[in-house]
Amino acid sequence: EVQLVESGGGLVQPGGSLRLSCAASGFTFSSYWMSWVRQAPGKGLEWVADINQDGSEKYYVVSVKGRFTISRDNAKNSLYLQVNSLRAEDTAVYYCARDNTYTSSWYGFDSWGQGTLVTVSS
Amino acid sequence: EIVLTQSPATLSLSPGERATLSCRASQSVSSYLAWYQQKPGQAPRLLIFDASNRATGIPARFSGSGSGTDFTLTISSLEPEDFALYYCQQRSNWPLTFGGGAKVEIK
Repeated sequence: EVQLVESGGGLVQPGGSLRLSCAASGFTFSSYWMSWVRQAPGKGLEWVADINQDGSEKYYVVSVKGRFTISRDNAKNSLYLQVNSLRAEDTAVYYCARDNTYTSSWYGFDSWGQGTLVTVSS
Repeated sequence: EIVLTQSPATLSLSPGERATLSCRASQSVSSYLAWYQQKPGQAPRLLIFDASNRATGIPARFSGSGSGTDFTLTISSLEPEDFALYYCQQRSNWPLTFGGGAKVEIK
């Protein structure tokens, strides 16, 4: 069974930093693109970042470029999101998701974690 | 950035009725479009990928259609558990984007 478990969220002051983690199990982690998606309270879904299988390709939504860094450790079956210079508008539940892409075919974000809440407030 | 516009924002229907949700892209996304269902307090669940393919375990009452810029998610006969939020998403171009969501509520 595919499982994704996020951790690392919490309350942080504006300008602060956190490192979010996503522990993956039940599949060959190193074979998949992975993604972070966030959802502000009462709002819709927003894609944040994506990383390919070996970490050589990374993509970000414009609003987090230069502040957030996606990375992975295939030996530990783990995905990370380093979030720096946090703003109030970054307050959200952060989900990791498996981005099931193979060559030119896309099978959707087919597995999601339960999310970890990041609250940015003084 | 490709903007996905979902309509209507809210659909009020009764169990057993047919639901039709629309997702329009600001430029062609070919068939790189997916649909998700989200219930309160839960993570999203993949329903449809590649515009028209049901994900594993998704009931046949859910179907997707369209290509290019206009897409539709149809629920042929609403079950009580189908009242939820629905999002479309494209993976044709970076940045990836989601639609604003559509709520299917009980009339």
